[in-house]
Amino acid sequence: DQQVKQNSPSLSVQEGRISILNCDYTNSMFDYFLWYKKYPAEGPTFLISISSIKDKNEDGRFTVFLNKSAKHLSLHIVPSQPGDSAVYFCAPAGNTPLVFGKGTRLSVIA
Amino acid sequence: GAGVSQSPRYKVTKRGQDVTLRCDPISSHATLYWYQQALGQGPEFLTYFNYEAQPDKSGLPSDRFSAERPEGSISTLTIQRTEQRDSAMYRCASSQRLAGAYNEQFFGPGTRLTVL
Repeated sequence: DQQVKQNSPSLSVQEGRISILNCDYTNSMFDYFLWYKKYPAEGPTFLISISSIKDKNEDGRFTVFLNKSAKHLSLHIVPSQPGDSAVYFCAPAGNTPLVFGKGTRLSVIA
Repeated sequence: GAGVSQSPRYKVTKRGQDVTLRCDPISSHATLYWYQQALGQGPEFLTYFNYEAQPDKSGLPSDRFSAERPEGSISTLTIQRTEQRDSAMYRCASSQRLAGAYNEQFFGPGTRLTVL
């Protein structure tokens, strides 16, 4: 039973365009949501987070949107750059350790 | 240290052997986590430590898996009588504050375990 679903295993976007990565969750006890980015042969690194009391958090080119009623969040990257090519994991948290989605592999094409 | 380190980076072993994986967290970090990551999946929680205490072992898949952090810094994950299904990337992460919902975790590079 997957608590966190990232339904797109991969996404290709042209450089300069917007990348939108989606994440759905089932556990209503999650109240903090993190996105991690992973390059090949490296461990995941923290990218951006959002608390459940907000519906948007922006950090430079990265914005995370949270729709609590739909139990859905999304990560927007604009403009996308080739260096953004990586696997992105959605990781909600509550009174539990982080629960990771399967990840979405983003390829930004120059 | 500057980041989380893990050793070995790669381990190949024969079924039935015991293996021990090591994690060196960031030195100021109170909390240390172990995850197992199968190919094409996200990291799955195994266990965590607040200093040397181990409040949650719920993710350990069987009693063949155990972890220690005796002095609240370096941790080891031991898998006894390895099986082929144990083959995975084992990741360690540490965070500054005691485990709670809002900790940023810093991940090590992982140990790739292959059980033949």
